[in-house]
Amino acid sequence: NAGVTQTPKFQVLKTGQSMTLQCAQDMNHNSMYWYRQDPGMGLRLIYYSASEGTTDKGEVPNGYNVSRLNKREFSLRLESAAPSQTSVYFCATPGVNSNQPQHFGDGTRLSIL
Amino acid sequence: RKEVEQDPGPFNVPEGATVAFNCTYSNSASQSFFWYRQDCRKEPKLLMSVYSSGNEDGRFTAQLNRASQYISLLIRDSKLSDSATYLCVVILYNQGGKLIFGQGTELSVKP
Repeated sequence: NAGVTQTPKFQVLKTGQSMTLQCAQDMNHNSMYWYRQDPGMGLRLIYYSASEGTTDKGEVPNGYNVSRLNKREFSLRLESAAPSQTSVYFCATPGVNSNQPQHFGDGTRLSIL
Repeated sequence: RKEVEQDPGPFNVPEGATVAFNCTYSNSASQSFFWYRQDCRKEPKLLMSVYSSGNEDGRFTAQLNRASQYISLLIRDSKLSDSATYLCVVILYNQGGKLIFGQGTELSVKP
């Protein structure tokens, strides 16, 4: 999926473990977003970064931290994973204007046992 | 009330049928609207933008009604390959380009 790259694609963790989900974009966009998707819930915003050096909470930030390392990279960290964080995580970067499509990464499927 | 709400699914239709999905949004400052398609929990992919005057792309027609704050997607002559979940997406540019997603409506087209 050209443009937005997420790693890893799959991960299984034990409760209490920590991990970082990585996202990188090569489209020179200012904004980057992290979402989670659960059955019947649509995509919910966890955190977003409007520009390099800034981050803001979204709808469901609890249990997560983010870091906008540079313009290309926006990482999502779970400090102490909980089963409720089992989900599919998508990173996205919107287009630069209203007529451009939003770009999503392939997603990270995370299971916490 | 959710910021973006879609018709609850699933929709099960035969091939060749016409099916319509509706989506309502609560924030009148919403400025851009899109329909996305998502297959089997893969990444959402843009299906089409929704313009105020309405727009068509082949078998797909999107409509926007700003006064009533809803958008719609019409699919004519349904194909098996149209089976997917359709997501309504609203962008709030006065909130840094925040995307708000509906919960999705699942469509299953049967032979």
